[in-house]
Amino acid sequence: AQTVTQSQPEMSVQEAETVTLSCTYDTSESDYYLFWYKQPPSRQMILVIRQEAYKQQNATENRFSVNFQKAAKSFSLKISDSQLGDAAMYFCASVRWGGADGLTFGKGTHLIIQP
Amino acid sequence: ETGVTQSPTHLIKTRGQQVTLRCSSQSGHNTVSWYQQALGQGPQFIFQYYREEENGRGNFPPRFSGLQFPNYSSELNVNALELDDSALYLCASSSPGLEGETQYFGPGTRLLVL
Repeated sequence: AQTVTQSQPEMSVQEAETVTLSCTYDTSESDYYLFWYKQPPSRQMILVIRQEAYKQQNATENRFSVNFQKAAKSFSLKISDSQLGDAAMYFCASVRWGGADGLTFGKGTHLIIQP
Repeated sequence: ETGVTQSPTHLIKTRGQQVTLRCSSQSGHNTVSWYQQALGQGPQFIFQYYREEENGRGNFPPRFSGLQFPNYSSELNVNALELDDSALYLCASSSPGLEGETQYFGPGTRLLVL
């Protein structure tokens, strides 16, 4: 079984600043994937970024990047140049290769962007 | 490319009734997963369908059941509704071997059980 822990229920950042959201996970699998999803008030879960565990290079998608520390089982999300549209709940999730037991989500971090 | 769609958007039922929620997968995807998201929580995995067969299930009772059709669309059925079934139900589609195990979500169905 996999577990995902997000220890920050809420984070606040000034517009244009950088913020880092934390996530730790636990798994006995050797092949797995990690994700960050964003859920705005409209409630649709939107993929932000994906990391394959076998890749050492940290994934980046425009202003979003991750710090993947496999040995420490840590997977943090950095948002640069924060924008008002980044305000949302952010969920960290994991799934083992083969994925038939679904994504395991953390409890989420509520990100507030201060104008 | 058509994204994941779900219907209805909102639903109100009374305890003991039955409900059916529907999901159309993203084009090119053959796997559908269903999740339950209680207020203020992360989604919980209910089950997954691949090629019309259930191939994975979370910790949900048998009154939660599903179907997948030849066009890969899916239904979630919940019998004997309980108050605790009130939640946002999310459907996600994916295709193993394509973009790894990435799941793309629909907008969800909000179910209220009175």
